[in-house]
Amino acid sequence: GAGVSQSPSNKVTEKGKDVELRCDPISGHTALYWYRQRLGQGLEFLIYFQGNSAPDKSGLPSDRFSAERTGESVSTLTIQRTQQEDSAVYLCASSWRGQARTEAFFGQGTRLTVV
Amino acid sequence: GENVEQHPSTLSVQEGDSAVIKCTYSDSASNYFPWYKQELGKGPQLIIDIRSNVGEKKDQRIAVTLNKTAKHFSLHITETQPEDSAVYFCAATPPGGYQKVTFGTGTKLQVIP
Repeated sequence: GAGVSQSPSNKVTEKGKDVELRCDPISGHTALYWYRQRLGQGLEFLIYFQGNSAPDKSGLPSDRFSAERTGESVSTLTIQRTQQEDSAVYLCASSWRGQARTEAFFGQGTRLTVV
Repeated sequence: GENVEQHPSTLSVQEGDSAVIKCTYSDSASNYFPWYKQELGKGPQLIIDIRSNVGEKKDQRIAVTLNKTAKHFSLHITETQPEDSAVYFCAATPPGGYQKVTFGTGTKLQVIP
């Protein structure tokens, strides 16, 4: 596709429910990142996928958070038993680790509101 | 792992003045330093980048400088305009095929007309 696509763009859920966020990276990009951005805050790293290597999960804030990626395509971020503090924009980015550059392209994000 | 610090967290300037945002990094092996601009309601977008073999790079009103010895790099915006108002993120990337980009915490720039 033309860019990184995230869905849904907005999600309102009740506290305690599970949610699944989707990211479609740019075709051919081997690296994929998930970030959380609370209102007015910076980018909080969650998880990093690179090719077929084991993902770097060091940023996941609790065991309620998990993410999967099928090969070098779609990724889903799952938040179980959502809490109000999970409310944030979840951003996905992808990049290609070629010789020349490693620019990360971001999606528009999914705005999650837990009520 | 890499750690990136960014200052200031907020910055207000009068239209036409210059704005400077500074970042430091911890991993001396990092060799690629992009800057991203995030407008309200959008994802961050790359605006300029610099590699460790270059000390300065300019693109119209935007410039980035890199001091490898001190492990810091800066973004300079001259003749600021209201449309420059956004959140700016710096980042650092170590070499190698499996190293992730580490972002700074962001600077909210407000250009006052």
